[in-house]
Amino acid sequence: QVQLQESGPGLVKPSQTLSLTCTVSGGSISNGDYYWNWIRQHPGKGLEWIGSIHYSGNSYYNPSLQSRVTISVDTSRKQFSLRLSTLTDADTAVYFCARLGFGEFFDSWGPGTLVTVSS
Amino acid sequence: QSALTQPPSASGSLGQSVTISCTGTSSDVGAYNFVSWYQQHPGKAPKVMIYEVTKRPSGVPDRFSGSKSDNTASLTVSGLQAEDEADYYCTSYTSSNNVIFGGGTRLTVL
Repeated sequence: QVQLQESGPGLVKPSQTLSLTCTVSGGSISNGDYYWNWIRQHPGKGLEWIGSIHYSGNSYYNPSLQSRVTISVDTSRKQFSLRLSTLTDADTAVYFCARLGFGEFFDSWGPGTLVTVSS
Repeated sequence: QSALTQPPSASGSLGQSVTISCTGTSSDVGAYNFVSWYQQHPGKAPKVMIYEVTKRPSGVPDRFSGSKSDNTASLTVSGLQAEDEADYYCTSYTSSNNVIFGGGTRLTVL
């Protein structure tokens, strides 16, 4: 069964760029049936889809974040990554990576990682 | 894109049934049968309970069921149990090749 694990800094400063990585194990990131996603959850709030990427490099982003987001994939390392620029405290959230399969639903999730934006 | 609309809270007594609605538009919920529902307990990652409007993944109790009419999808939990108390989120695929979440519903089991 596929497992996902987020990694990255827990604390970043305002105006900086956040870089997070999701490592995929127990399954192939190069399986063309899936898109690999980033989702975040502000403290005490709901879920927000950030964007997704296919192993081929095809990607889609939430229009509200598109100007600041880049998602990339490294199939050799079985990883995909999120870069979010020009951070503000509004970007403080738990960031999840997740797999989107046929049927357009998230069937596997990482445990999430809390990122705090603060000086 | 605006979030799908869910009631912020719902409640029901042990053994009863409760239905949570999820309202979108003709560009998302109304356009595709790609509505899914997720259960999230505090401090945990969400877990899919329903996908493609009505389908249940293996291991999800048949007390959970889904439906859709026009631009509104619904999740029904029958025979409420204490462990069903959680936050529930709907999602839909959209005409922009995006995914959109509902605002979430906190289900309380009385």
